[in-house]
Amino acid sequence: QITLKESGPTVVKPTQTLTLTCTFSGFSLNTLGVGVGWIRQPPGKALEWLALIYWDDDRRYSPFLKNRVTITKDTSKNQVVLTLTNMDPVDTATYYCAHSDSYGSGYYFDFWGQGTLVTVSS
Amino acid sequence: QSVLTQPPSVSGAPGQRVTISCTGSSSNIGAGYDVHWYQQRPGKAPKLLIYGNTNRPSGVPDRISGSKSGTSASLAINGLQAEDEADYYCQSYDSTLSASWVFGGGTKLTVL
Repeated sequence: QITLKESGPTVVKPTQTLTLTCTFSGFSLNTLGVGVGWIRQPPGKALEWLALIYWDDDRRYSPFLKNRVTITKDTSKNQVVLTLTNMDPVDTATYYCAHSDSYGSGYYFDFWGQGTLVTVSS
Repeated sequence: QSVLTQPPSVSGAPGQRVTISCTGSSSNIGAGYDVHWYQQRPGKAPKLLIYGNTNRPSGVPDRISGSKSGTSASLAINGLQAEDEADYYCQSYDSTLSASWVFGGGTKLTVL
């Protein structure tokens, strides 16, 4: 049974750095083809992909956030960490981590965490 | 504005069939990248409904189906039920610099 859970601050101030941790179970991030991604959703708006890290430590980032976002993994702890620098009120959103698997010509997100709402406010 | 375009809303009566479109371009769906679909009920995390254009994960009923043609994809729900009322998102991969994994803007399905 695959589960994921996000943890981190619920409120950050503008210009601060957000650090979120995704703790997962039921799979290994050492397994060929597996990845963990981060997706966010501002209140009342659509899903937005942020970053993804593969089993081989290959990392992909959204071009819209590339200079601000970093994703890392700690396979011994079954954790993936997202950092987002220089937070702004427009970054207020529910942040999800998700297990990613591949099929054919693409990766999809088949198991999701419950999400964590992060508010950026002074 | 999303790279993948979905209608903001669709509706149907119980028992009816509804379809939700997802229109992309030659750098994503039209380039041959697969389309995946998610259902999101209010206050909940998204749930995978369709992967690889047409495949249902275990537990998704066969009244839900997906298709893809050219630069577009569609999600069809037959025998509409009250529990189908939710937001639906398509997702694919885009080979341009604008984004990598991309989501549609979402479609709100209302069961009348």
